Amino acid sequence: AQKVTQAQTEISVVEKEDVTLDCVYETRDTTYYLFWYKQPPSGELVFLIRRNSFDEQNEISGRYSWNFQKSTSSFNFTITASQVVDSAVYFCALRRGTYKYIFGTGTRLKVLA
Amino acid sequence: EAQVTQNPRYLITVTGKKLTVTCSQNMNHEYMSWYRQDPGLGLRQIYYSMNVEVTDKGDVPEGYKVSRKEKRNFPLILESPSPNQTSLYFCASSKTSGDYLQSSYNEQFFGPGTRLTVL
Repeated sequence: AQKVTQAQTEISVVEKEDVTLDCVYETRDTTYYLFWYKQPPSGELVFLIRRNSFDEQNEISGRYSWNFQKSTSSFNFTITASQVVDSAVYFCALRRGTYKYIFGTGTRLKVLA
Repeated sequence: EAQVTQNPRYLITVTGKKLTVTCSQNMNHEYMSWYRQDPGLGLRQIYYSMNVEVTDKGDVPEGYKVSRKEKRNFPLILESPSPNQTSLYFCASSKTSGDYLQSSYNEQFFGPGTRLTVL
């Protein structure tokens, strides 16, 4: 089966706390891409990061960091020192070699002031 | 400005009345795709297109048609809409040619969404 699981439906944190959003994927493809997207309350979808299956380097971009581990089929997303503007729904997605995309069901993050 | 546009943004229609949602991109992207977003289900891919005249089914193609006659346009057609097609629809495009190591490769740009209600 090819799927993306975001087990955390909703997370609430207080501003300045760190928070990790989990993403577990399943695929039989040897080449694939993983993505994170943000959907703020305004509704648009914003690309955050892409990771290739052959590149397990972790990445940090400001307060955002991503931990890709093929051994556990996970691509987790951490926000350090969360802010109210981080409140959004976050989607993890898998692009298979066939160019089909599979999205997780999303994690709603609420950052409370 | 690089963008993906969708029209209409909001549509209320009745069962069985054919409709088309247009999608256009100005980035010369090869890849275009349609998704629907439903509460608790995330985004599900309806159809995608690798290039002009090349389309393929996503996970939920039933009840939808697409065509890709020009590179910039990828309309979504509902021949006979039903209430279970009430949803938020997103069109997206991405570059799939060139250097796959470039950060722009495979980055999907999404349109603003079309909220469709079928009564």
